[in-house]
Amino acid sequence: DAGITQSPRYKITETGRQVTLMCHQTWSHSYMFWYRQDLGHGLRLIYYSAAADITDKGEVPDGYVVSRSKTENFPLTLESATRSQTSVYFCASGGPTDMNTEAFFGQGTRLTVV
Amino acid sequence: AQKVTQAQTEISVVEKEDVTLDCVYETRDTTYYLFWYKQPPSGELVFLIRRNSFDEQNEISGRYSWNFQKSTSSFNFTITASQVVDSAVYFCALSERDNTDKLIFGTGTRLQVFP
Repeated sequence: DAGITQSPRYKITETGRQVTLMCHQTWSHSYMFWYRQDLGHGLRLIYYSAAADITDKGEVPDGYVVSRSKTENFPLTLESATRSQTSVYFCASGGPTDMNTEAFFGQGTRLTVV
Repeated sequence: AQKVTQAQTEISVVEKEDVTLDCVYETRDTTYYLFWYKQPPSGELVFLIRRNSFDEQNEISGRYSWNFQKSTSSFNFTITASQVVDSAVYFCALSERDNTDKLIFGTGTRLQVFP
């Protein structure tokens, strides 16, 4: 089925552990994004990618690493999880806005760091 | 710097009331895009509308309407005859034409519609 899929949907991890959140899209969209959602902050951009092998930092990149070896995948890794990274993470994909497309979001991953 | 402000944190209405969600944005670009997303209690983000800065026409889609005013940098969203199913968090977002397509979100407005 066409779409954007995040896994896992829920994750509990311990402080200091490395954890990777997966994101897969089937549209061949060039752009992919990772946002985190926290109460009082809305959604904030962590990292984004304009194409395979091209990534850049967003507003809140510290403590996160991304890669994009294939157009369809954009994993987000927390190298050493901290309690402040407890959040809901959303992956999104889309084309350039002047091509009349909008970002489509995955279902979200609720991450709890204990 | 770009910024989106949704000053209303939470709004409660009774079914069939009309409700307007406010969105004020800041940008230095002359070309930009504005969006509204809905996040129901199930948590997913649902795209509602995209508007580019050159199109100031108001839009109506069923019970939803949007009022875009560049003079006041506002992109307000009105739900007419609200229903319980409209209960959700609504986000306004801005994207500048910088070839990155990044979305800058407001903090959201939680709408509760009571029967």
